[in-house]
Amino acid sequence: DQQVKQNSPSLSVQEGRISILNCDYTNSMFDYFLWYKKYPAEGPTFLISISSIKDKNEDGRFTVFLNKSAKHLSLHIVPSQPGDSAVYFCAASANGAQKLVFGQGTRLTINP
Amino acid sequence: DAGITQSPRHKVTETGTPVTLRCHQTENHRYMYWYRQDPGHGLRLIHYSYGVKDTDKGEVSDGYSVSRSKTEDFLLTLESATSSQTSVYFCASGQGIRGNTIYFGEGSWLTVV
Repeated sequence: DQQVKQNSPSLSVQEGRISILNCDYTNSMFDYFLWYKKYPAEGPTFLISISSIKDKNEDGRFTVFLNKSAKHLSLHIVPSQPGDSAVYFCAASANGAQKLVFGQGTRLTINP
Repeated sequence: DAGITQSPRHKVTETGTPVTLRCHQTENHRYMYWYRQDPGHGLRLIHYSYGVKDTDKGEVSDGYSVSRSKTEDFLLTLESATSSQTSVYFCASGQGIRGNTIYFGEGSWLTVV
């Protein structure tokens, strides 16, 4: 039972354009959401997060949007840069639980 | 980023042998985790710890055990390794406060032949 789903295994975007990565969840108890970025042969690194009391959180080129009614969140990267090429994981936790549930990941490739 | 180190970073072992992966963190984080990463599955939680000697199972705990005798160390043991346990294993740690962000180590590549 995949509670957090990233339905696009891969995404290719031109440098300078917007990258939009999507994530859906099924557990209505999830109240905190995070995005992690992972380069090959490295551990995931925290990118940005959002609480369920908000619908948007922005940090530089990265913005996360949360649509609670649709149980959907998205990560926008603008403008996309070659260094953004990586695998992106969304994750969620419920009611202050200390366990994160991760999606399958989306491989983002930024083309010059 | 939290100071989290994993050892060994790479290991090849034979089916049926026990294997122990070690995780050490220098952030005095209360919570520690072991995840495995597999294609098509993302990161799945194996076990986690919420304090010294306090551990609980994750979603893929069968065939694994853990121990935490000190705040900074969290061990993952494969009691009798199988080929299905060939994977990349990530340790993570976090403060354990609401809205917890956890920080990952660099991973341990395990191949069971």
